[in-house]
Amino acid sequence: QSVLTQPPSASGTPGQRVTISCSGTISNIVSNYVHWYQQLPGTAPKLLIYRINQRPSGVPDRFSGSKSGTSASLAISGLRSEDEAVYYCAAWDDSLSGPLFGGGTKLTVL
Amino acid sequence: LQLQESGPGLVKPSETLSLTCTVSGGSISNNDYFWGWIRQPPGKGLEWIGIIYYTGNTYYNASLKSRVTISVDTSTNHFSLKLHSVTAADTAVYFCARLGAYGEAEFDYWGQGTLVTVSS
Repeated sequence: QSVLTQPPSASGTPGQRVTISCSGTISNIVSNYVHWYQQLPGTAPKLLIYRINQRPSGVPDRFSGSKSGTSASLAISGLRSEDEAVYYCAAWDDSLSGPLFGGGTKLTVL
Repeated sequence: LQLQESGPGLVKPSETLSLTCTVSGGSISNNDYFWGWIRQPPGKGLEWIGIIYYTGNTYYNASLKSRVTISVDTSTNHFSLKLHSVTAADTAVYFCARLGAYGEAEFDYWGQGTLVTVSS
């Protein structure tokens, strides 16, 4: 079964740097680009990082992405209260022949 | 570009869920993009349902393939989802979104989502 595994929760205080991990397999993260979405409460997901480390227009450079082997990471520096959201990783899965989402990580800003 | 889902918010078990996504501010016939449906059960994560190209080529999540039909109408710039034989497990917020390319998971524009409840 194809799965992208994320920790269910993460937290940090304002100004801190936090990272969120996403673990996959050769059929998804290793072979394809990883993307990250931010979902604020009651809203649709928003593309936050695409193709591992690219930011759409308007996304602050506090957000960055990386990939190594079967894992990817989202880093948020200078944490702000408005960053409190659920973050999803996603990648195309060659076995599924479709996009696969991680289970999501709820980020709490303490 | 804007996407807007529409359709009934309540569907009875065993019946068919039907939703439409209207695309404005751009053409659904743009050959650079695919169009997709994603759902999110209450309090849970995102699940891809399927994607369609403007030519009508479709690709479905294998777990839903036997019950899903996605179609496109380029004349009215919308695409639609039908999910047959629904159960309570199909209760979710349904999103439509634009996919950057086949072989990617880059959904760059999303509708606001619409909650569909399956209940008698």
